[in-house]
Amino acid sequence: EVQLVESGGGLIQPGGSLRLSCAASGFTVSSNYMSWVRQAPGKGLEWVSVIYNGGNTYYADSVKGRFTISRDSSKNSLYLQMNGLRVEDTAVYYCARDRTLKGYCTSTSCRYHYYMDVWGKGTTVTVSS
Amino acid sequence: DIQMTQSPSSLSASVGDRVTITCRASQSISSYLNWYQQKPGKAPKLLIYAASILQSGVPSRFSGSGSGTDFTLTINNLQPEDFATYYCQQSFSTPNNFGQGTKLEIK
Repeated sequence: EVQLVESGGGLIQPGGSLRLSCAASGFTVSSNYMSWVRQAPGKGLEWVSVIYNGGNTYYADSVKGRFTISRDSSKNSLYLQMNGLRVEDTAVYYCARDRTLKGYCTSTSCRYHYYMDVWGKGTTVTVSS
Repeated sequence: DIQMTQSPSSLSASVGDRVTITCRASQSISSYLNWYQQKPGKAPKLLIYAASILQSGVPSRFSGSGSGTDFTLTINNLQPEDFATYYCQQSFSTPNNFGQGTKLEIK
């Protein structure tokens, strides 16, 4: 069964650090795009970060320079290292698998659709003094 | 960055109704648009990707259309389990922003 299970959330003081983990089963993390999405209490979904199967990483402006996405093939897991945490980082953090679909291509490259087809149940991060 | 704007923010409808939710991108994103459904306390669920392709296992009463900057999610013959919050998301370029959500409530 394809599954994602997040862990590592908790209560942390502003300025602190936390590392979220996302254990995958039923597929290979390193072969897929993988994303983190968060949802503050009572708010909508916020895209946080993605790591491509080739290793390229991208971040939302709100977390750039503070958060780092990574993966460990031996553990088939995805991670989100969060430093310099702020009250506004309080949220449920979801990891998700992205599937890709080839879109339009030029003579030199193709642009891929990607969409999150498998999600974990989320882990809660609370930043408060 | 590409901004995604959904309308309406909330919507009341009855079982059996047909509803349409709109998503507008701040610049052209071709068909690089996904739709998700989220119920309270649950993770989002993928409904449609590439603007109009129905995810496996999603009922055919859900459909998506649009290209460029304007997109719609249509739900025909609303069922009780469809009352939830719906989000669009663009995958044209990072950051892959979501819309603010549309909450579909029972009338």
